[in-house]
Amino acid sequence: DVVLTQTPPTLSTTIGQSVSISCRSSQSLLDSDGDTYLNWLLQRPGQSPQLLIYSVSNLESGVPNRFSGSGSETDFTLKISGVEAEDLGLYYCMQVTHVPFTFGSGTKLEIK
Amino acid sequence: QVQLKESGPALVQASETLSLTCTVSGFSLTNYGVIWVRQPPGKGLEWMGIIWRNGNTDYNSALKSRLSINRDTSKSQVFLKMNSLETDDTAIYYCTRDLGDHWGQGVMVTVSS
Repeated sequence: DVVLTQTPPTLSTTIGQSVSISCRSSQSLLDSDGDTYLNWLLQRPGQSPQLLIYSVSNLESGVPNRFSGSGSETDFTLKISGVEAEDLGLYYCMQVTHVPFTFGSGTKLEIK
Repeated sequence: QVQLKESGPALVQASETLSLTCTVSGFSLTNYGVIWVRQPPGKGLEWMGIIWRNGNTDYNSALKSRLSINRDTSKSQVFLKMNSLETDDTAIYYCTRDLGDHWGQGVMVTVSS
């Protein structure tokens, strides 16, 4: 199974700062169709996860453009440019290239 | 609009079988797959399995011996059954469309010993 290693486990920041979360895969997530199926999710406290970014860098409809994703093969990054209070929660990367699909262990974003 | 809603018992006895239903609307099960994900209290997300749009299934290898996922396309419902429950199976159970773009609100299931 693909192992996704997320760092850091916890991120403490202030409003307006920019932060990045890393997700490293134990194997390439480049699919035979040429696409790379690495998604980023946010789970706000008490809520279901929601999709932020799909296929590495594509912003899901309705998601603010302060969120961006980058990377390739095994190394991926989620960046939040100018954190807002509503961004607090747990961030997960998820790969849907290889079955079984797998999640990273999560990064908790705290607002100071 | 696209919606998914999980339903099932809140409390199940250990060693028994868990049966959950995911009722979808706004899309067809023959066009999209549905994934089951669970989250133990205070822990991360665990991918359980998928029923693809063609009806084929894949499972988490750790759960495969206990888990089955089926569907009724005419009722827009996907079913999860997991047997030989243990207290470690206590979790919120979610269904989500295979793209991960729409999630149900989840159902909390407690396995009692």
